[in-house]
Amino acid sequence: GQNIDQPTEMTATEGAIVQINCTYQTSGFNGLFWYQQHAGEAPTFLSYNVLDGLEEKGRFSSFLSRSKGYSYLLLKELQMKDSASYLCAVRDGDYKLSFGAGTTVTVRA
Amino acid sequence: IAGITQAPTSQILAAGRRMTLRCTQDMRHNAMYWYRQDLGLGLRLIHYSNTAGTTGKGEVPDGYSVSRANTDDFPLTLASAVPSQTSVYFCASSDGNTGELFFGEGSRLTVL
Repeated sequence: GQNIDQPTEMTATEGAIVQINCTYQTSGFNGLFWYQQHAGEAPTFLSYNVLDGLEEKGRFSSFLSRSKGYSYLLLKELQMKDSASYLCAVRDGDYKLSFGAGTTVTVRA
Repeated sequence: IAGITQAPTSQILAAGRRMTLRCTQDMRHNAMYWYRQDLGLGLRLIHYSNTAGTTGKGEVPDGYSVSRANTDDFPLTLASAVPSQTSVYFCASSDGNTGELFFGEGSRLTVL
């Protein structure tokens, strides 16, 4: 099974940077995903890491260290629309995705 | 582009009743999944199917059943609903190349 931990809540100011950490313990590992979910909506894909290192996509970046069982999602130049829940998910060898409980990010003006 | 369609969007039903949540995808993805999402617990996998004709149990399968007669459809059935099954249910399908999940809009189920 998977054990995935991430902070429950984070608050930041518009224009700032926020880093959401995720640690995991798995019996098999085949990639780590980050999803964004606005209240009342379905999750949407943000990023995917399978090798160690940083993946950058515009204002969002995701980092993975497989040896440490650690990932983070970096959100830069925060906007009000970035207020959402961010879900860390780990894929096992059967292509099943297990999710952490999510981190609710609140962006304040 | 439809993607994944779930029905119903919302439903209230009495405990003990049978309920089927429907899920259809038009992306020809082999893998499909059912998750439930509860406050503070995140998304938990109920059942999954890696390809038509096969299904498997996820983290919280008790009280639920699924079938996968063809590639497009993956219904979830609650044989006898209980209040603890009150939740938001998400169906998802997976691109075999990256494993990225594509989600339906969710079905909000309330069992009284």
